[in-house]
Amino acid sequence: DARVTQTPRHKVTEMGQEVTMRCQPILGHNTVFWYRQTMMQGLELLAYFRNRAPLDDSGMPKDRFSAEMPDATLATLKIQPSEPRDSAVYFCASGLLGLSGNTIYFGEGSWLTVV
Amino acid sequence: RKEVEQDPGPFNVPEGATVAFNCTYSNSASQSFFWYRQDCRKEPKLLMSVYSSGNEDGRFTAQLNRASQYISLLIRDSKLSDSATYLCVVSSTGNQFYFGTGTSLTVIP
Repeated sequence: DARVTQTPRHKVTEMGQEVTMRCQPILGHNTVFWYRQTMMQGLELLAYFRNRAPLDDSGMPKDRFSAEMPDATLATLKIQPSEPRDSAVYFCASGLLGLSGNTIYFGEGSWLTVV
Repeated sequence: RKEVEQDPGPFNVPEGATVAFNCTYSNSASQSFFWYRQDCRKEPKLLMSVYSSGNEDGRFTAQLNRASQYISLLIRDSKLSDSATYLCVVSSTGNQFYFGTGTSLTVIP
């Protein structure tokens, strides 16, 4: 059963530390999204890639966040330095997009707590 | 203005009740529409796509009104297991997926 895989599932870190989250999209999917979810803001789009090329990262704080897709099987989201306000669930999602009606599938999320 | 807006609820309904959620979207060029379900501390999962002609999946019925730019989800004969947050999702070009903040449903025994 194909699924999006994210690591780590849970991370507690101290303010100022670097955090890297990883995502393995479903094989064959051409689009990968990074979302952040908090109780107050709901699901916010941070960045997304099509065929590994970044298409939009306007939702991402550029000074501390970076997203890359070094190959088709790996997407990364890095926070450096981390701050307590970054505490949230970070979801990766992938889909085979370009045709109307196709949808996206989420990983289980990386639960980040910055203290 | 947000791309997608939903009433956050919460909706508390007794078992067996019928409940309906609405969602409005701002981009008239939107092409694809979905409802996702998210359980507590879990990832969102696709519940159903929404087609122009309306579509049904068991106890769930989804409808789209392009003229008024809203989407609805109707749940009949509510079960305890339907308790979750329901997210309305709109995609304009097959690239961007915009999520509503979700509507919370609790089905009470």
